[in-house]
Amino acid sequence: TQLLEQSPQFLSIQEGENLTVYCNSSSVFSSLQWYRQEPGEGPVLLVTVVTGGEVKKLKRLTFQFGDARKDSSLHITAAQPGDTGLYLCAGVRESSGDKLTFGTGTRLAVRP
Amino acid sequence: EAQVTQNPRYLITVTGKKLTVTCSQNMNHEYMSWYRQDPGLGLRQIYYSMNVEVTDKGDVPEGYKVSRKEKRNFPLILESPSPNQTSLYFCASSLFYTGQGFYTFGSGTRLTVV
Repeated sequence: TQLLEQSPQFLSIQEGENLTVYCNSSSVFSSLQWYRQEPGEGPVLLVTVVTGGEVKKLKRLTFQFGDARKDSSLHITAAQPGDTGLYLCAGVRESSGDKLTFGTGTRLAVRP
Repeated sequence: EAQVTQNPRYLITVTGKKLTVTCSQNMNHEYMSWYRQDPGLGLRQIYYSMNVEVTDKGDVPEGYKVSRKEKRNFPLILESPSPNQTSLYFCASSLFYTGQGFYTFGSGTRLTVV
């Protein structure tokens, strides 16, 4: 059983569409991060959220941390082909000290 | 340029032949970690190191060894590789020993064990 479940696993959309990726757990997290990984490269940190209910925006990307700090979402507005990649959430559980645990990943393909 | 450098990028080897994947960072980070990435399983931690001479097991340490003799280097050693260790491996570093730190990843090593 994965600690952090992401959905959907795969997503193929047309350029210009909006999408939301979810990261869910039954555990409470002290912080949660989102990474994007492009083919042939390592993950690159996009954002870190630490407060329940926190919303952060990065251009067309909006990240939200759930009020109970058990889940997070990533919303992309007007997706572009350059958004294509693997999106990973990663969190630090309150009960596990500093260990960072990664989610299963969502592979996004944006068609021109 | 601040970076984590892994070598080699690609490696095909035979079962039982010892190999080492190197990892080096130039950011004076205390914390370094090795992950493997497999389809549907995400990134799983193999070993991590909080500082020089301090290493500990992650979630999937079986079949792997590490060492941290210098702050900048954190090699991953497979003494007797097996086909189930075929995977994509990433080294990462962070300034502090904390999951809230900014993790910098290497570009990955794709290992195939036949």
